[in-house]
Amino acid sequence: AQSVAQPEDQVNVAEGNPLTVKCTYSVSGNPYLFWYVQYPNRGLQFLLKYITGDNLVKGSYGFEAEFNKSQTSFHLKKPSALVSDSALYFCAVGGLNFNKFYFGSGTKLNVKP
Amino acid sequence: DVKVTQSSRYLVKRTGEKVFLECVQDMDHENMFWYRQDPGLGLRLIYFSYDVKMKEKGDIPEGYSVSREKKERFSLILESASTNQTSMYLCASSSPSAPGTDTQYFGPGTRLTVL
Repeated sequence: AQSVAQPEDQVNVAEGNPLTVKCTYSVSGNPYLFWYVQYPNRGLQFLLKYITGDNLVKGSYGFEAEFNKSQTSFHLKKPSALVSDSALYFCAVGGLNFNKFYFGSGTKLNVKP
Repeated sequence: DVKVTQSSRYLVKRTGEKVFLECVQDMDHENMFWYRQDPGLGLRLIYFSYDVKMKEKGDIPEGYSVSREKKERFSLILESASTNQTSMYLCASSSPSAPGTDTQYFGPGTRLTVL
């Protein structure tokens, strides 16, 4: 069975500080991992994905994520947060059946000036 | 750029009404999906389609049906709307590359309120 967990409902960080949004996964087989962002009253936008290769994946808007197989984690990171990064972030794992995704419950990121 | 559009951003309906939510994508994607999004629950898959006239139930299909008569269009139907179907509905599409690896592209969402 495929699943992801986002242990934090909300993350608060000051502008300019590094941010981390956590995600752990459970899959049978190779994990295909994704991060999406949702701004208020909008659909989800793709940020980055890990399929294979380098464990550090770089994505849009300066975000990156590190795949850690031993800890079954795929945390989203950014070295210096912006107020405009405030949004809802979803981690997802790609399933083996017709590209079904399994989404986490989402983490609300608040970046304060 | 992939574009996925949904027919309405906001919709208010009454209990018992039949509701149609339309989704159109312009990238010739085979796969299309309908999710509902509720606070604290993330996205839950209602139905998906991997080809014209083909459909598969997702995790929460009860009370919903779908239609895919053309490749670019995927409709979600609430046969008799109920208040517990008040939610944000998101449509997505993807191409059928290696299973699980392809990015899904989302529409802007339809916020449905059932009174």
